[in-house]
Amino acid sequence: EAGVVQSPRYKIIEKKQPVAFWCNPISGHNTLYWYLQNLGQGPELLIRYENEEAVDDSQLPKDRFSAERLKGVDSTLKIQPAELGDSAVYLCASGQPGDTQYFGPGTRLTVL
Amino acid sequence: GQQLNQSPQSMFIQEGEDVSMNCTSSSIFNTWLWYKQDPGEGPVLLIALYKAGELTSNGRLTAQFGITRKDSFLNISASIPSDVGIYFCAGGINSGGSNYKLTFGKGTLLTVNP
Repeated sequence: EAGVVQSPRYKIIEKKQPVAFWCNPISGHNTLYWYLQNLGQGPELLIRYENEEAVDDSQLPKDRFSAERLKGVDSTLKIQPAELGDSAVYLCASGQPGDTQYFGPGTRLTVL
Repeated sequence: GQQLNQSPQSMFIQEGEDVSMNCTSSSIFNTWLWYKQDPGEGPVLLIALYKAGELTSNGRLTAQFGITRKDSFLNISASIPSDVGIYFCAGGINSGGSNYKLTFGKGTLLTVNP
């Protein structure tokens, strides 16, 4: 069974530029999560989707971050404009109700 | 928000030694999870604990869900070089629909000297 797929794996951009990350969850998983992981820290939840509905986006900085999961499968996380402090690893995870969360490899973002 | 205190921050041990790390919280959790993260990869689940007092093993790994629901420990016996990595604890609160909202510790960096 394929795991959570994320792309790109690495992204380097200049500040003020937009950037987007893509996630394909494990087949059949209705719940999808986006996490932010700063260096030396554990992952922190940004947003959780149940199918296409964002049920917890309380930690998402909505002035510059947005996310969508239009058909309840793939998801995209966008930052516009990116700031230096956004440099981090962005992790996607998926799961089923009552099951644990399975993480993808992450996208490492560097903002110059 | 909830915070987890994970200790130690790092450990440097010899191959074959046993390892113990733990997480504590001021808040109660419904579940405790332990993940391992290798460089450039996402966290991989090692052990999941769902009941207070539960003791669960996975090969050389053993973890326990504290009776107060505010702490958990992970033991690794007879460490091997491939145990190197960062170990994260995560406490979960039920957030509806049987999904858990996870709060992660800051991780324990384990280095195993062959």
